[in-house]
Amino acid sequence: EVQMVESGGGLVQPGESRRLSCVASGITFSNYWIHWVRQAPGKGLVWLSRMSPDGKDTSYAGSVRGRFILSRDNAKNTAYLQMSGLRVDDTAVYYCVSALDSSGYFDDWGQGTLVAVSS
Amino acid sequence: DIVMTQSPLSLPVTPGEPASISCRSNQSLLHSNGNNYLGWYLQKPGQSPQILIYLGSSRASGVPDRFSGSGSGTDFTLQISSVEAEDVGVYYCMQALQTTWTFGPGTKVELK
Repeated sequence: EVQMVESGGGLVQPGESRRLSCVASGITFSNYWIHWVRQAPGKGLVWLSRMSPDGKDTSYAGSVRGRFILSRDNAKNTAYLQMSGLRVDDTAVYYCVSALDSSGYFDDWGQGTLVAVSS
Repeated sequence: DIVMTQSPLSLPVTPGEPASISCRSNQSLLHSNGNNYLGWYLQKPGQSPQILIYLGSSRASGVPDRFSGSGSGTDFTLQISSVEAEDVGVYYCMQALQTTWTFGPGTKVELK
């Protein structure tokens, strides 16, 4: 069974940093692109970032470019989303998603981790 | 970034009846390889999203054949031939043509 498990969410103050982790099991992690998608409370899905299987190709949505950094450790089957300069409007559930290719086919989603940015 | 729009944003449905959702992009999603980089996802209440359709019209594994996708370029449609109660939730289209992907705003489908 494939599992994508996010962790690291919680309450943070504006301007602070937070690192989210995503541990994958049941897949050959090093074959998959990893994406992050978020969903603000009661709102729609927003694609944030993706990283290629070898970690060499990364792209970001304009709303987080320069503030968020995606990385991965294939030996640990883990991806990370380092978030800095957090704002109130970054409050959302953050999903880690795997994709075998760039066709837009998301294979497996995590259950999400909630990041709440508030003073 | 490519902007995605959907209509309607809310869709009351009757079980057993067909339903249709439209998705439009402000740029063509047709790749030079002949594929449209457009997918459809369903987020059921309290769950993570799940894929329904990829590359515009290919049904994902395990997806009931009452779901179908069509369209090309900038105009796409998701059709449900006969709605079932378990189909309620929010439907999103998503473009994957560019290096930055974008979702549509979502269409909430609920039973009448």
